Amino acid sequence: AQSVAQPEDQVNVAEGNPLTVKCTYSVSGNPYLFWYVQYPNRGLQFLLKYITGDNLVKGSYGFEAEFNKSQTSFHLKKPSALVSDSALYFCAVRGTGFQKLVFGTGTRLLVSP
Amino acid sequence: EAGVTQFPSHSVIEKGQTVTLRCDPISGHDNLYWYRRVMGKEIKFLLHFVKESKQDESGMPNNRFLAERTGGTYSTLKVQPAELEDSGVYFCASSQRTSAGELFFGEGSRLTVL
Repeated sequence: AQSVAQPEDQVNVAEGNPLTVKCTYSVSGNPYLFWYVQYPNRGLQFLLKYITGDNLVKGSYGFEAEFNKSQTSFHLKKPSALVSDSALYFCAVRGTGFQKLVFGTGTRLLVSP
Repeated sequence: EAGVTQFPSHSVIEKGQTVTLRCDPISGHDNLYWYRRVMGKEIKFLLHFVKESKQDESGMPNNRFLAERTGGTYSTLKVQPAELEDSGVYFCASSQRTSAGELFFGEGSRLTVL
């Protein structure tokens, strides 16, 4: 069965510092990996995805994520955090074929001025 | 292009009552999904339509939940009768017919059962 773990309920970082939001996954076959962000009172917005190819994926708002097959991880990163990045971040995985997208519990990112 | 729209944005009902949530996917998207997030927990899959057919309904909690997608366009999710544990945010998402494609989410319908 597919599963996603986001080990941190909350990540605190100062504006201008680099940020990392962790995600590990379990899936049969090759994974399709996604990051979504939810701002207050809004729906989920797609940030980036890994399907195949380069292990470093770049997405919206300056975010990137690194796929590590041996560690089954897909951590979200940004070189310099903004206060406006404060939101709830969800990692998700889907196996090949038309399997359902499975989400983690979410990590709240708080960027302080 | 219009995104995924959901209605109502918030519904407050009493235990035992019925609620119907509606989702309008992005035009041309064959895939439509329902998810639910209970406070502080993961976003859990409920079911998946391909056009008007239920592809996977393994996440539906019980027979108090009924989802339809007549004509392969909009979808409704009915909860009857509602229980306290049904409270949460119900998200609808749609995607094009490719397994590698990202899902586009609506803003969710918050259901509060008192």
